[in-house]
Amino acid sequence: DAGVTQSPTHLIKTRGQHVTLRCSPISGHKSVSWYQQVLGQGPQFIFQYYEKEERGRGNFPDRFSARQFPNYSSELNVNALLLGDSALYLCASSLGQGTTNEKLFFGSGTQLSVL
Amino acid sequence: AQSVTQLGSHVSVSEGALVLLRCNYSSSVPPYLFWYVQYPNQGLQLLLKYTSAATLVKGINGFEAEFKKSETSFHLTKPSAHMSDAAEYFCAVSDTGGFKTIFGAGTRLFVKA
Repeated sequence: DAGVTQSPTHLIKTRGQHVTLRCSPISGHKSVSWYQQVLGQGPQFIFQYYEKEERGRGNFPDRFSARQFPNYSSELNVNALLLGDSALYLCASSLGQGTTNEKLFFGSGTQLSVL
Repeated sequence: AQSVTQLGSHVSVSEGALVLLRCNYSSSVPPYLFWYVQYPNQGLQLLLKYTSAATLVKGINGFEAEFKKSETSFHLTKPSAHMSDAAEYFCAVSDTGGFKTIFGAGTRLFVKA
């Protein structure tokens, strides 16, 4: 069975541009979470979605938005990119409602570089 | 707010030696605690999790961790390091809101031959 897949794997953008990152969860998983991992730091929570509804949001500006589709895949959108948005963006899926005792299955991430 | 602190951004051990990676947490309620491992160019993989069933938790690849409430610690250990254990390890705690997992800054483990 395929794991969590993310696309693209690498992306280079310039300041002020917009970016869309995509994630397909493991088949049967209904919950998707997004994390930002800056070099040398642990992942920081951005969003969590379950059944197309936002269940949680981290301390990120409104430039960051996300959505989940009926097939449970998800997109993370970032507008007006800043240099500080350069990071590895990780998507994770879980089987149930994504409550915090559940195991998260992570994709390999999208490496975003903002120049 | 809940948080985790990982002591030591880098740990180096010889192959066959004990691995000890330290994690302290802050939580006002009984937490869920996790250890994840990240190999180069890969996503995170769950090693083990504590959900109050037992204080000593056994995970994959020979790792285990002990929950000590009095010390607010959840240190990760492995009796004998293998070269393949070289990776970055993250301690994490669940958020009381129910949908957020909070990660520590990570500890990179180096294994010397």
